[in-house]
Amino acid sequence: TQLLEQSPQFLSIQEGENLTVYCNSSSVFSSLQWYRQEPGEGPVLLVTVVTGGEVKKLKRLTFQFGDARKDSSLHITAAQTGDTGLYLCAGDDRDDKIIFGKGTRLHILP
Amino acid sequence: DVKVTQSSRYLVKRTGEKVFLECVQDMDHENMFWYRQDPGLGLRLIYFSYDVKMKEKGDIPEGYSVSREKKERFSLILESASTNQTSMYLCASSFPRLGTEAFFGQGTRLTVV
Repeated sequence: TQLLEQSPQFLSIQEGENLTVYCNSSSVFSSLQWYRQEPGEGPVLLVTVVTGGEVKKLKRLTFQFGDARKDSSLHITAAQTGDTGLYLCAGDDRDDKIIFGKGTRLHILP
Repeated sequence: DVKVTQSSRYLVKRTGEKVFLECVQDMDHENMFWYRQDPGLGLRLIYFSYDVKMKEKGDIPEGYSVSREKKERFSLILESASTNQTSMYLCASSFPRLGTEAFFGQGTRLTVV
């Protein structure tokens, strides 16, 4: 079974600070996705990275896919309270199932 | 607006009851998924269906079964509910291409007493 390990599990920082969260695996993935989940709702897709070394930007969020396609990172610049939420990485396994990491719970303090 | 709809937001059931969780999607997706989400354990895949009447076990299928009689509907069945099945249940659907987005329902919080 392919596993996705996310770190840190929890992160609490002040508004305006920068942060990076990580998603790692010992397996190669054809693509990785990042989702954000708010309390009481289902996850919503932020981005999909497909090519090794790829970098995608979504406003203040920067996503990177590792060269070996085994890991990914999410960097947030100048965090805002609206960034608070659960960030999940996900990948397709060989059988077309979508598997998820356990997530990073991010809390931005005003 | 694309939609995955789960039949209930909150459910309370008694131990031993048979429980049906329904999920409907309007995007003509081939793939549908049932996950449960628990604190510290993340989203764990229960069952996956890639076509009508086709299903595959996920990581934690014990105590659950599924039904997919129509493309748009994927049902999760708890044959005899137990307290350890108290959880948030999330349904999702997607096209069968690698890297495609999974769309989620709003979740059903099930409590078994």
